[in-house]
Amino acid sequence: ELKVEQNPLFLSMQEGKNYTIYCNYSTTSDRLYWYRQDPGKSLESLFVLLSNGAVKQEGRLMASLDTKARLSTLHITAAVHDLSATYFCAAQTGNQFYFGTGTSLTVIP
Amino acid sequence: DGGITQSPKYLFRKEGQNVTLSCEQNLNHDAMYWYRQDPGQGLRLIYYSQIVNDFQKGDIAEGYSVSREKKESFPLTVTSAQKNPTAFYLCASSASGTRKSPLHFGNGTRLTVT
Repeated sequence: ELKVEQNPLFLSMQEGKNYTIYCNYSTTSDRLYWYRQDPGKSLESLFVLLSNGAVKQEGRLMASLDTKARLSTLHITAAVHDLSATYFCAAQTGNQFYFGTGTSLTVIP
Repeated sequence: DGGITQSPKYLFRKEGQNVTLSCEQNLNHDAMYWYRQDPGQGLRLIYYSQIVNDFQKGDIAEGYSVSREKKESFPLTVTSAQKNPTAFYLCASSASGTRKSPLHFGNGTRLTVT
């Protein structure tokens, strides 16, 4: 079974700072996804990463994938309060999706 | 607009009662999934279905049952055998085969059993 590990689990950062969330997965995966969840809400898809070296950017968030290292990163640039949420990565094999435990991000003014 | 509809949003039940959570999608997706989320934790897979009239157990299927009689619908029944049913339940769907897509999630049902 594919295992997905995220770190850190909790992240408190000041507005304007940069930080990176890491997602490691244990075996070969077809695709890697990043999701955002606001408190009490459902999950919203942020990025789909399909192949080695893939990089996607949306606003202050940038996701990348290194399939050889089985590692994906979500980089936050110049954080703002609106980015406070829980971020999940998920690795897909076939029709199965395996989720990390999530990173709870709090951006402090 | 295409999407996934879960109902109800909040559900309260007494211990010992079975309860059914509804999930309907109009995205024409073949695959549908049920996840459970406990406070401060990730998602755990309960059941999934890749095609009508077929479904597979996930990691925590005990105490739950599902049916997939129509492509659009994948209801989840939480039975009295589920020892700790209070949780946030998320239904999701995705295209399968060569049309793989991210999971699209419904807004969830928050179940409280007392």
